Amino acid sequence: ETGVTQTPRHLVMGMTNKKSLKCEQHLGHNAMYWYKQSAKKPLELMFVYNFKEQTENNSVPSRFSPECPNSSHLFLHLHTLQPEDSALYLCASSQGEASGSLRTDTQYFGPGTRLTVL
Amino acid sequence: AQSVAQPEDQVNVAEGNPLTVKCTYSVSGNPYLFWYVQYPNRGLQFLLKYITGDNLVKGSYGFEAEFNKSQTSFHLKKPSALVSDSALYFCAVRDRNNYGQNFVFGPGTRLSVLP
Repeated sequence: ETGVTQTPRHLVMGMTNKKSLKCEQHLGHNAMYWYKQSAKKPLELMFVYNFKEQTENNSVPSRFSPECPNSSHLFLHLHTLQPEDSALYLCASSQGEASGSLRTDTQYFGPGTRLTVL
Repeated sequence: AQSVAQPEDQVNVAEGNPLTVKCTYSVSGNPYLFWYVQYPNRGLQFLLKYITGDNLVKGSYGFEAEFNKSQTSFHLKKPSALVSDSALYFCAVRDRNNYGQNFVFGPGTRLSVLP
């Protein structure tokens, strides 16, 4: 195990539902990430938090809303999703730097949440 | 902009034979380079990274990779493949001169080691 847990592991939701994905890291890291992994497509970085501040938002639709209440927890709130949002959502953490640079960081990934939108 | 290419979707190798998974990159400055592996129903696991120094980097599970600046490549290698090495392998790059950039991952290469 990598020290990064994600719940739930599987989620099926309708397009009108509201749900949240949870990520928790037990590594003492200060940076956390959300990625989307779809079949036949490269891993897509969605959001980055460094010391609880959001530092990256890669043009993600507003139906995805991240929350980072502390350095150990990261949430992804979902509402009015589309079927094309079905994917594996991966959380990762890394050491992070107060200076803001994450360039040399090794990321540690959770097992992912398999999301299906009906 | 930075990008990563993994020219082979699938690599098949017999157990005990050497394996190579190819990666080429494009960055405006100098790169930081990473390899990750993903087993079925699992998240990505870090294998190795090149930051600076020796071009040959040794990592977990007997894997190594060689940074070749002139060919802009960072191929992953292992002298003797195991069936348990069968997985999806991702190369990733970060531009060391671009302060705000995060990872760009390649599309992945599926490695199958045949007994």
